Amino acid sequence: EAGVTQSPTHLIKTRGQQATLRCSPISGHTSVYWYQQALGLGLQFLLWYDEGEERNRGNFPPRFSGRQFPNYSSELNVNALELEDSALYLCASSLEDRAEAFFGQGTRLTVV
Amino acid sequence: ELKVEQNPLFLSMQEGKNYTIYCNYSTTSDRLYWYRQDPGKSLESLFVLLSNGAVKQEGRLMASLDTKARLSTLHITAAVHDLSATYFCAACNAGGTSYGKLTFGQGTILTVHP
Repeated sequence: EAGVTQSPTHLIKTRGQQATLRCSPISGHTSVYWYQQALGLGLQFLLWYDEGEERNRGNFPPRFSGRQFPNYSSELNVNALELEDSALYLCASSLEDRAEAFFGQGTRLTVV
Repeated sequence: ELKVEQNPLFLSMQEGKNYTIYCNYSTTSDRLYWYRQDPGKSLESLFVLLSNGAVKQEGRLMASLDTKARLSTLHITAAVHDLSATYFCAACNAGGTSYGKLTFGQGTILTVHP
């Protein structure tokens, strides 16, 4: 069975541009979570989607947004990119809220 | 707000030795997770601890949870080089602003050398 898949693996953008990151959860999982792992800042919670709705949001500015599609896949959009947005973005999915979360391989975003 | 602290943050071990990583959390959490991360890779789930006194073992790793002390431990027995990685603990609250999200510790970078 396929795990959580993320695309692209690497993404290079220029400051001010927009980035779109994609995540496909494990089949049957309805909850999708996004985390940012920036150097020196650890793993920070970004967003949680369940059944198409945003359920919780971390302490990030509104230019970080996303959505969950009817097939439970998810997109993370980052607008007006800043250099500090360079990080590994990890997507995770779980069978239901607060169940064990399984992580994808991540998208490494580099803003230059 | 839930806070999670791990110690030590850096751990250099000799092969064959035992050691423990500690994970303290600040408020009530009804579950505790341990993950492993290899350099440049994603997080691999190691253990899920759901109740006070829970103990789980896999190979040379054993995790335990004391909800009264708000403490989880990851014990490494007879370390081998393959265990070199970063280990994270994460806690999850049932409600409030922390609902649904994992709050991670800083991570412990473990290096096992001959």
